[in-house]
Amino acid sequence: AQTVTQSQPEMSVQEAETVTLSCTYDTSESDYYLFWYKQPPSRQMILVIRQEAYKQQNATENRFSVNFQKAAKSFSLKISDSQLGDTAMYFCAYRSGAAGNKLTFGGGTRVLVKP
Amino acid sequence: EAQVTQNPRYLITVTGKKLTVTCSQNMNHEYMSWYRQDPGLGLRQIYYSMNVEVTDKGDVPEGYKVSRKEKRNFPLILESPSPNQTSLYFCASSPDFRDRGVHEQYFGPGTRLTVT
Repeated sequence: AQTVTQSQPEMSVQEAETVTLSCTYDTSESDYYLFWYKQPPSRQMILVIRQEAYKQQNATENRFSVNFQKAAKSFSLKISDSQLGDTAMYFCAYRSGAAGNKLTFGGGTRVLVKP
Repeated sequence: EAQVTQNPRYLITVTGKKLTVTCSQNMNHEYMSWYRQDPGLGLRQIYYSMNVEVTDKGDVPEGYKVSRKEKRNFPLILESPSPNQTSLYFCASSPDFRDRGVHEQYFGPGTRLTVT
């Protein structure tokens, strides 16, 4: 079974600074997808960014970018120019490319952006 | 507006009193699932459904039941709730994974359940 590990329970960052969240995963599959979800205090799950394993290029979405290291099974998220609205819980998630729609989540990292 | 709705949003109940959390989606998605979120554990899948009348267990199915009589609805049933089922519950839907593409899963707003 696949597992996803987020080793940083909490992180804080000053407004306008950069913060990087770590995520590692374990799988024997070659076809899969990786995601970062944001959960603000409203509890809504919001997709931040996604990466297809077959793509070598790292995904970016505005101030959010990932560092996808397939061999190392690492998928970190970088938040640049942090804003107060980035304060949230962030979850890393894995989805098999061939075995269903199930998402396997990490335990989450709580990010606090300080003014 | 494309969305997944859940009701109720908050529920406090007592041990053993049967309850149902409803979930409905308006995107004609084949796939629906339920997750529970607990501190430090992230979200874990309870049950899922690939289509009408087709359901299967996820990682933590004990104490839960589901049904999929209509494509749009996927209720979660706790026949005899216990305190260890106190959690935040999410319903999600997406197109079938066999329809190739990185299909986003759409999540409902969550249901905070407390069992005393």
